[in-house]
Amino acid sequence: GQQLNQSPQSMFIQEGEDVSMNCTSSSIFNTWLWYKQDPGEGPVLLIALYKAGELTSNGRLTAQFGITRKDSFLNISASIPSDVGIYFCAGLRGNNDMRFGAGTRLTVKP
Amino acid sequence: SQTIHQWPATLVQPVGSPLSLECTVEGTSNPNLYWYRQAAGRGLQLLFYSVGIGQISSEVPQNLSASRPQDRQFILSSKKLLLSDSGFYLCAWTQNNYGYTFGSGTRLTVV
Repeated sequence: GQQLNQSPQSMFIQEGEDVSMNCTSSSIFNTWLWYKQDPGEGPVLLIALYKAGELTSNGRLTAQFGITRKDSFLNISASIPSDVGIYFCAGLRGNNDMRFGAGTRLTVKP
Repeated sequence: SQTIHQWPATLVQPVGSPLSLECTVEGTSNPNLYWYRQAAGRGLQLLFYSVGIGQISSEVPQNLSASRPQDRQFILSSKKLLLSDSGFYLCAWTQNNYGYTFGSGTRLTVV
């Protein structure tokens, strides 16, 4: 089951705006991951974080692994219409123990 | 490079009919394999995982079963589908702690 609290649940923003979403947990994770899911497709890995405090960028995306290992955030700068989708955070404790957040549904208005 | 194939992409089945969804991975050996279900507008629920041929672990009791007859093949089955089995089914694989790679999913509608 899901043990990660992801917020916000949904976001409606204007093209060009920045976006921020986060995940928190009462448990410690060894790895934090952020996925994006387009309609009718499987989730695709955007960013993976392996160390507490790590800050990683992938183009317009920036994610951080919280220092307590219990949280992570994802920022998207200068949003564009193709950023639309559902973003999931995931925490990994071992090969067979990955937990997902409930997702953030992002809508970008042109 | 590694790829994961999942089929069919969509399926409409009557209540009480059997189910078989197949997932195969190419370009790797001895992967860990997973079946997830995603209800409409919801997150991902782990159903089964397998660390090797014939080794299946179930996360939740349900109307479904899984099998791994070959190293890179993972099958999700049901003898009799229920309406509540409708959803988006995703297969995934990993070989280390670098995150899972997902297939493109199967949209199952039980009518």
